[in-house]
Amino acid sequence: DAGVIQSPRHEVTEMGQEVTLRCKPISGHNSLFWYRQTMMRGLELLIYFNNNVPIDDSGMPEDRFSAKMPNASFSTLKIQPSEPRDSAVYFCASSFIGAFYYGYTFGSGTRLTVV
Amino acid sequence: QQPVQSPQAVILREGEDAVINCSSSKALYSVHWYRQKHGEAPVFLMILLKGGEQKGHEKISASFNEKKQQSSLYLTASQLSYSGTYFCGTGGGGGADGLTFGKGTHLIIQP
Repeated sequence: DAGVIQSPRHEVTEMGQEVTLRCKPISGHNSLFWYRQTMMRGLELLIYFNNNVPIDDSGMPEDRFSAKMPNASFSTLKIQPSEPRDSAVYFCASSFIGAFYYGYTFGSGTRLTVV
Repeated sequence: QQPVQSPQAVILREGEDAVINCSSSKALYSVHWYRQKHGEAPVFLMILLKGGEQKGHEKISASFNEKKQQSSLYLTASQLSYSGTYFCGTGGGGGADGLTFGKGTHLIIQP
């Protein structure tokens, strides 16, 4: 398996622009998580899905952030409009949650810079 | 609530041992441990569930005391490849509710 695939790897955008981050989880995993990592705040859970359904989005910082998972193999995180304080590394992770518990597999991340 | 990790940083010589602690103010169901190298994604090391379980992974092992709401990661005879930032992640339902990560412990192994 290719692992969790995120795109793009790097994104530089101007303040006010819309940004869309993409994630393809590992086939067979039923849970998907979006995290944001900064030096100041560490790894923050933004939102997670189970069987394509959003379970908890309380970590989404503002209404400017939205996430979708239209099917088991694809998810997006959108920021509109983007602001400089959104600059961070955004990770997508997937796992299988069921009778047994497994660790998360993280994608390589998207480094977002908003100027 | 975010678990608290200690120490924040450790510098060791190759071959020395280290202990990294993780504690939470709320009841824990499970604790995950991850290692992240600079510029890379976190990599899963192990998961511990309720029951005071201790698990091992090469020369890296961990314990979980749910009564004290604490977990510890033990690195024995450290190798240069062990350098990185170690994170504990805690969840109330085995990870089904999304892990909350500590701020990490930076481990530097010197030759």
